[in-house]
Amino acid sequence: DTEVTQTPKHLVMGMTNKKSLKCEQHMGHRAMYWYKQKAKKPPELMFVYSYEKLSINESVPSRFSPECPNSSLLNLHLHALQPEDSALYLCASSHPAGAGYEQYFGPGTRLTVT
Amino acid sequence: AQSVTQLGSHVSVSEGALVLLRCNYSSSVPPYLFWYVQYPNQGLQLLLKYTTGATLVKGINGFEAEFKKSETSFHLTKPSAHMSDAAEYFCAVTPLGGGYQKVTFGTGTKLQVIP
Repeated sequence: DTEVTQTPKHLVMGMTNKKSLKCEQHMGHRAMYWYKQKAKKPPELMFVYSYEKLSINESVPSRFSPECPNSSLLNLHLHALQPEDSALYLCASSHPAGAGYEQYFGPGTRLTVT
Repeated sequence: AQSVTQLGSHVSVSEGALVLLRCNYSSSVPPYLFWYVQYPNQGLQLLLKYTTGATLVKGINGFEAEFKKSETSFHLTKPSAHMSDAAEYFCAVTPLGGGYQKVTFGTGTKLQVIP
């Protein structure tokens, strides 16, 4: 199984809502990532988890809160988002978080903040 | 600091023609190099990567890329374009080193295949 799954596929939320994005992989990867991708742009790294511990936070606003309950699951909790947070949110995983390891991406969650 | 430049934000080719997507990197030490493809409304998929060894790398779907240190390039090619190749292509680099090394993506090249 070389698949990273993400739910939901689409999400529309108001600025006062609380929602969560979910990501799952069963490849035994020990590094997981959240990226944000705006239209016609490359992905921008948000967070890196390595062995279930947060190792990188790219100065992401606190309205985004990541969580890694176990080695297969990664969540992104959303609260009080702004319209400019509307984007495609991609989850990825890799064998250790090392330089030569390619990342496997999920299909993404298309988020619209109204 | 490393960077990657993709020449041409849009490339159009006829079906059956050669595909050439350009990628140049800037790094004092040759990095690890990747090409990813993104189909509409999907995530990124690895096409191929160069870490060490043979400089001509073969990937999926008939794509290949050649690492040229003297030119700091890692161009992606495919001999004959197919309609299904229409997508966004990202070149990416990571520096050598242990532990997590941040991936730097190029700005992307949108490939259009004309029937």
